[in-house]
Amino acid sequence: GNSVTQMEGPVTLSEEAFLTINCTYTATGYPSLFWYVQYPGEGLQLLLKATKADDKGSNKGFEATYRKETTSFHLEKGSVQVSDSAVYFCALSDLGFQKLVFGTGTRLLVSP
Amino acid sequence: KAGVTQTPRYLIKTRGQQVTLSCSPISGHRSVSWYQQTPGQGLQFLFEYFSETQRNKGNFPGRFSGRQFSNSRSEMNVSTLELGDSALYLCASSLGQRSGNTIYFGEGSWLTVV
Repeated sequence: GNSVTQMEGPVTLSEEAFLTINCTYTATGYPSLFWYVQYPGEGLQLLLKATKADDKGSNKGFEATYRKETTSFHLEKGSVQVSDSAVYFCALSDLGFQKLVFGTGTRLLVSP
Repeated sequence: KAGVTQTPRYLIKTRGQQVTLSCSPISGHRSVSWYQQTPGQGLQFLFEYFSETQRNKGNFPGRFSGRQFSNSRSEMNVSTLELGDSALYLCASSLGQRSGNTIYFGEGSWLTVV
């Protein structure tokens, strides 16, 4: 079945450092790919998405590119802030279905 | 416009009881899906409804059920609660017409079973 693999956390960075969170997927066909963020005690917020190969999703300084050849959708940000501390989830949606398959999540801790 | 609204936000139940959680999707969204989030199992898909019909179901026992009303609002029910049902239950909505539609989540309902 379809699956998503994320790098283990926590990822600990200093403010203004460069962030990469790796995400790879296994899927039949060409799923849509998403990054969601969860702040403590809250639900999931969509961060960005990409619906086809080579698409780049971006939002709030975060970026991710849909790489079909490497089945990856790595999340990057050039300069993180303390307020970016949260858990980040990579997900794919099964073709034709409104169902998300999530990775295990990566906790990001940013210190001043 | 208003986001996905879930009620109640927090609740405590006793083993063996049942619980009903409610979800109001974003206006115009016809697909509503439910997810369970636990520290051990992560985010797991429960089921999805579109125009009052269940289109997709995850691997959960029959104690977990749901329904959708004509106004797209949805409820999920868990009967004969077990300690392991303690979790954050997330409702999500989307237009539901094709893959790639953005799926928006509510704040969740925190269920504690004691």
